[in-house]
Amino acid sequence: QKEVEQDPGPLSVPEGAIVSLNCTYSNSAFQYFMWYRQYSRKGPELLMYTYSSGNKEDGRFTAQVDKSSKYISLFIRDSQPSDSATYLCATPYSSASKIIFGSGTRLSIRP
Amino acid sequence: GAGVSQSPRYKVAKRGQDVALRCDPISGHVSLFWYQQALGQGPEFLTYFQNEAQLDKSGLPSDRFFAERPEGSVSTLKIQRTQQEDSAVYLCASSSVDLNTEAFFGQGTRLTVV
Repeated sequence: QKEVEQDPGPLSVPEGAIVSLNCTYSNSAFQYFMWYRQYSRKGPELLMYTYSSGNKEDGRFTAQVDKSSKYISLFIRDSQPSDSATYLCATPYSSASKIIFGSGTRLSIRP
Repeated sequence: GAGVSQSPRYKVAKRGQDVALRCDPISGHVSLFWYQQALGQGPEFLTYFQNEAQLDKSGLPSDRFFAERPEGSVSTLKIQRTQQEDSAVYLCASSSVDLNTEAFFGQGTRLTVV
């Protein structure tokens, strides 16, 4: 079992829809969680990170962590074609160490 | 420069050839990571440096893979006697030592072994 699991998709939604992207993790010791966006032929770009449980909002993006169920979510409101990319959830294995990534969900927003 | 810079962007190597991939991290970032990303997969950890010290090389897939960061800045990932299964995108990332939650990635080097 991988330490961070993510549905690879692809996921296709119409412009303006609310998108929900999800990951699960296995190690209850994980504290920080990040979401990266990766456009085709580019490196991953950090979108946001959260600590422990709860919600964090940044513009149209909301990251949510539920530690009781080991579930991580990213919501995108008013989705735009420019949001079409692969979204990667990730967590540091420990402080100042390797980052573990999910396999990524490919998202396509239809105009 | 403002971001993490990797070179070359693309590399085609014949099977058995040695290759060297370069990473210029963000100035002042003490942590540097190398990742391997196969097509359709998330990045897989290879190795981690804090300044010039290689603190974790547990992800290197074989002894054909070697990384160095001799002066705590630029890093080189070397792959000896390349095999077809080494074809992937190699990503470099850097971060402040206490903020690996904010690691910044380069655009990667796409290696194709033929």
